[in-house]
Amino acid sequence: KQEVTQIPAALSVPEGENLVLNCSFTDSAIYNLQWFRQDPGKGLTSLLLIQSSQREQTSGRLNASLDKSSGRSTLYIAASQPGDSATYLCAVVSGYALNFGKGTSLLVTP
Amino acid sequence: KAGVTQTPRYLIKTRGQQVTLSCSPISGHRSVSWYQQTPGQGLQFLFEYFSETQRNKGNFPGRFSGRQFSNSRSEMNVSTLELGDSALYLCASSSHNFGQGGSGELFFGEGSRLTVL
Repeated sequence: KQEVTQIPAALSVPEGENLVLNCSFTDSAIYNLQWFRQDPGKGLTSLLLIQSSQREQTSGRLNASLDKSSGRSTLYIAASQPGDSATYLCAVVSGYALNFGKGTSLLVTP
Repeated sequence: KAGVTQTPRYLIKTRGQQVTLSCSPISGHRSVSWYQQTPGQGLQFLFEYFSETQRNKGNFPGRFSGRQFSNSRSEMNVSTLELGDSALYLCASSSHNFGQGGSGELFFGEGSRLTVL
């Protein structure tokens, strides 16, 4: 059974800092990995999708990498802003299911 | 292009009742998957439908069921509600079903928040 872990569970940083969120998974036989953000009481917003054959994806200030062999993905956020405050979730598609980590709650202070 | 629409957004039920939630996917998407989100357990996969067929089901009791219609709209039903069923129920749509190799990007609705009293 695929287990997805996200570290840290919570993170508080001052505005402008670059930061890294981590996601690890136990079964490397994945189809893809997707990063989402969730604002309180809201649904999930897709940030980046990395297919199993890819090593990284970039969108604006966000960069996600994937190392299947070590079962790890990182989400890099450059020049953080207060509007980046949210919970960030990674999700892994393997087999016929999607498994989520429990998320990293990020607070960016002005 | 309209996003994923879930109805109702909020509902309150009592123990023993049943509830039906609806999800309309993005136009052209044939895969709809459902998730339960609670503070303690996080996001848990319920089931996925593709072309009106249930492709996979998570580890939930038989009280949780779903279906998908020919227009790809999906409903999930929870019977004999328990207090522990209180949660945010999210659905997601995709152009590919899980396991189709390189499954597509998932797009989520805003969710239906169910409170069981």
